[in-house]
Amino acid sequence: GAGVSQSPRYKVAKRGQDVALRCDPISGHVSLFWYQQALGQGPEFLTYFQNEAQLDKSGLPSDRFFAERPEGSVSTLKIQRTQQEDSAVYLCASSLPGQVYSYEQYFGPGTRLTVT
Amino acid sequence: AQSVTQLDSHVSVSEGTPVLLRCNYSSSYSPSLFWYVQHPNKGLQLLLKYTSAATLVKGINGFEAEFKKSETSFHLTKPSAHMSDAAEYFCVVSGRVSGGYQKVTFGIGTKLQVIP
Repeated sequence: GAGVSQSPRYKVAKRGQDVALRCDPISGHVSLFWYQQALGQGPEFLTYFQNEAQLDKSGLPSDRFFAERPEGSVSTLKIQRTQQEDSAVYLCASSLPGQVYSYEQYFGPGTRLTVT
Repeated sequence: AQSVTQLDSHVSVSEGTPVLLRCNYSSSYSPSLFWYVQHPNKGLQLLLKYTSAATLVKGINGFEAEFKKSETSFHLTKPSAHMSDAAEYFCVVSGRVSGGYQKVTFGIGTKLQVIP
């Protein structure tokens, strides 16, 4: 596709529900990142994939958060037993392969999660 | 270790006057540095990037930034502000950390207000 897409764009969940957020990266982009952006804050790193390998999950705030990218393209971020503090915009970004750290990331529009 | 400090959370300028958004960084490796802009309810867009080539980097919409290693700074400037520049701006550092994979760190953001 032309850019990174995310779905749904908006999600309202009752406290305790499980949610799944989807990211479709740009075709051919090997690296994929998830970020959490709370209201009025900058994006906070959650996790990073290179193809299907999850190389860094140090930013996941608890074991309720789980991410996967089984075929190295589409990724899903799952949050179990949602809490109010999980309310945020969840951003996905992808970047080109190679010397990954020197390539810019292309961001999706984000999924705004509201936990009531 | 890697960190980014955006020195001003809010900057207000009059239309037609210069813009200066300040960013300092620290990194154990030679980093790549980026500025992203986020308009309300829009996705993050890359303004410009530094990846160890020219220290003065020109970006879109008339923005530029200068990498100063001795000062560990990467300040964003524009000679003349336009109303459409009102947005939130993020300074980002990206580097290779131990383990050989990419680490990306966002600043907290600077909200730019342009007064007509």
